[in-house]
Amino acid sequence: EIVLTQSPGTLSLSPGERATLSCRASQRLTNNYLAWYQQKPGQAPRLLIYGASSRATGIPDRFSGSGSGTDFTLTISGLEPEDFAVYYCQQYGGSPPTTFGQGTRLEIK
Amino acid sequence: QVQLVQSGAEVKKPGASVKVSCKTSGYAFTSYDINWVRQASGQGLEWMGWMNPNSGNTGYAQKFQGRVSMTRNNSINTAYMELSSLRSEDTAVYYCARETPGSPRVDWFDHWGQGTLVTVSS
Repeated sequence: EIVLTQSPGTLSLSPGERATLSCRASQRLTNNYLAWYQQKPGQAPRLLIYGASSRATGIPDRFSGSGSGTDFTLTISGLEPEDFAVYYCQQYGGSPPTTFGQGTRLEIK
Repeated sequence: QVQLVQSGAEVKKPGASVKVSCKTSGYAFTSYDINWVRQASGQGLEWMGWMNPNSGNTGYAQKFQGRVSMTRNNSINTAYMELSSLRSEDTAVYYCARETPGSPRVDWFDHWGQGTLVTVSS
């Protein structure tokens, strides 16, 4: 089973700063099949990135994804107040078919 | 616009079953797989399985095999998830999610329902 480990568990930053979130897979991900989601309290997750680096429709360009193999990064450049939320990575195409990381909470410092 | 609207909150006793609906609009229902993901309070996301509305084919996470059933009614563009033999650990918010089309594997989820809280309590 592919296990995704996200770090840090909580990240405290101020608006305007740059956030770097990590997602590490226990096995190499085929074709970099990794997505990132943002979830705010009481809301469903929202797709940000798929294929490790492709932004979903309507996602601001301050969100970017990178990485390959087992190490992936979500970068948010110039944090806006609405960016403080929990972020999840998801692997797909593996076994089991899909799994999520445990999440990183991005909080206002 | 694409919308997935789920049924309301449920309270069930241990051992009972629950059936959650996911009514879709704004796209061709039979062209996109529907997945179900759950989230216990304060916890992460747990994938439960997928259903192809066109064929009715399904695939379930091993953890839920034998206890979950995913079905659909194409005449009303609605997907269903039924979970049986409920226990307290099944208390969670259950989400339906539309999967991007075009491959035989489970892919990423581009639209989600608002979630349905299922509480299992005696």
